[in-house]
Amino acid sequence: DGGITQSPKYLFRKEGQNVTLSCEQNLNHDAMYWYRQDPGQGLRLIYYSQIVNDFQKGDIAEGYSVSREKKESFPLTVTSAQKNPTAFYLCASSIGASEAFFGQGTRLTVV
Amino acid sequence: AQSVTQLGSHVSVSEGALVLLRCNYSSSVPPYLFWYVQYPNQGLQLLLKYTTGATLVKGINGFEAEFKKSETSFHLTKPSAHMSDAAEYFCAVSESDSWGKLQFGAGTQVVVTP
Repeated sequence: DGGITQSPKYLFRKEGQNVTLSCEQNLNHDAMYWYRQDPGQGLRLIYYSQIVNDFQKGDIAEGYSVSREKKESFPLTVTSAQKNPTAFYLCASSIGASEAFFGQGTRLTVV
Repeated sequence: AQSVTQLGSHVSVSEGALVLLRCNYSSSVPPYLFWYVQYPNQGLQLLLKYTTGATLVKGINGFEAEFKKSETSFHLTKPSAHMSDAAEYFCAVSESDSWGKLQFGAGTQVVVTP
């Protein structure tokens, strides 16, 4: 079945540590996105990529980094510069003028 | 710049009653409008979308929404609530041809009581 796979489902990070969230899609979609979800704030765009080897900052890119070396993969690294990383992270993909499909999310907690 | 306002962070409805979730947007260009639903600890599922054409849009699970340009609104309705409708609902707008680049509202949590 086609879809978007995010891993892990739960992730714990120590203070000062970098962590990487995985997002893989087999939908052959060109565009991929990372969103952060906090209670009462909806979803906010972190980074997006419309083609391989190219990506753009979203509204809240500070403290995050991404890469897009393959069409299927768009990993997100939460760096130690992100002061409040505890959140639910959602990856999505889309192709052309079609709606976005979302993964099941990764819940990141700082311990 | 685009923005989305959802009126009411929590809505409680009785089973069988009308569900009405309000969404207003601001956009400098004709927008693409979406409603997504999220169940606990899961991703988002598309309920319906408005792009062009008919302003009354029907979606999955008996939901529909009407685009009213003069009111800059895109309210979501369902005539009769079911227990399975309990979830969080997000209104979103896109101004680009890449429909995954979305501005979301803050969400409305729907509780359905027997």
